[in-house]
Amino acid sequence: DGGITQSPKYLFRKEGQNVTLSCEQNLNHDAMYWYRQDPGQGLRLIYYSQIVNDFQKGDIAEGYSVSREKKESFPLTVTSAQKNPTAFYLCASSTPQLFNEKLFFGSGTQLSVL
Amino acid sequence: GENVEQHPSTLSVQEGDSAVIKCTYSDSASNYFPWYKQELGKRPQLIIDIRSNVGEKKDQRIAVTLNKTAKHFSLHITETQPEDSAVYFCAARKGDGGYNKLIFGAGTRLAVHP
Repeated sequence: DGGITQSPKYLFRKEGQNVTLSCEQNLNHDAMYWYRQDPGQGLRLIYYSQIVNDFQKGDIAEGYSVSREKKESFPLTVTSAQKNPTAFYLCASSTPQLFNEKLFFGSGTQLSVL
Repeated sequence: GENVEQHPSTLSVQEGDSAVIKCTYSDSASNYFPWYKQELGKRPQLIIDIRSNVGEKKDQRIAVTLNKTAKHFSLHITETQPEDSAVYFCAARKGDGGYNKLIFGAGTRLAVHP
């Protein structure tokens, strides 16, 4: 079940702590995305990146940060400024020809606050 | 900005019956409408999509219809099977990709009972 891999599957954050979620893809996709999924709500875009060393804020970027130093990797840091971080986080990728179209998702990380 | 509403939030059907999920969108410039299926504990996967230059698209037991005038689109599943049980998300996007984001509906939890 390769393609796009997220780790860890479960993550716990203590108050005031920054945590980093990993996302790696071997699909040779240029575009990568981070979505947040809350119960009863749709997927909301946190950040996206079309190419290496470039990324853009989505609709709910406050309290999050990303980097895109390699094509294969797009880690998401949940900072202490994010006051309600408990959610299911999904990473996705797509080809440049199908940017914001056919998204390939990872299996997600469930983040909870201790 | 774009807003996508999805109904119903939950749907329960008997095996063999049909299921219909409806979405409405607000931005008349939207021209791409995908549907994603997320089985319990698994990643969302694209199951069908439609562009605004067609009114209907079918793929075996699933079909999507689009009414541009009314700004709504629907997912139709015929001869439902227990493996169709999942959360289904609709989405809408305008333009040709680029920086135009996918906006997701809140999801419909479909339960197919044997």
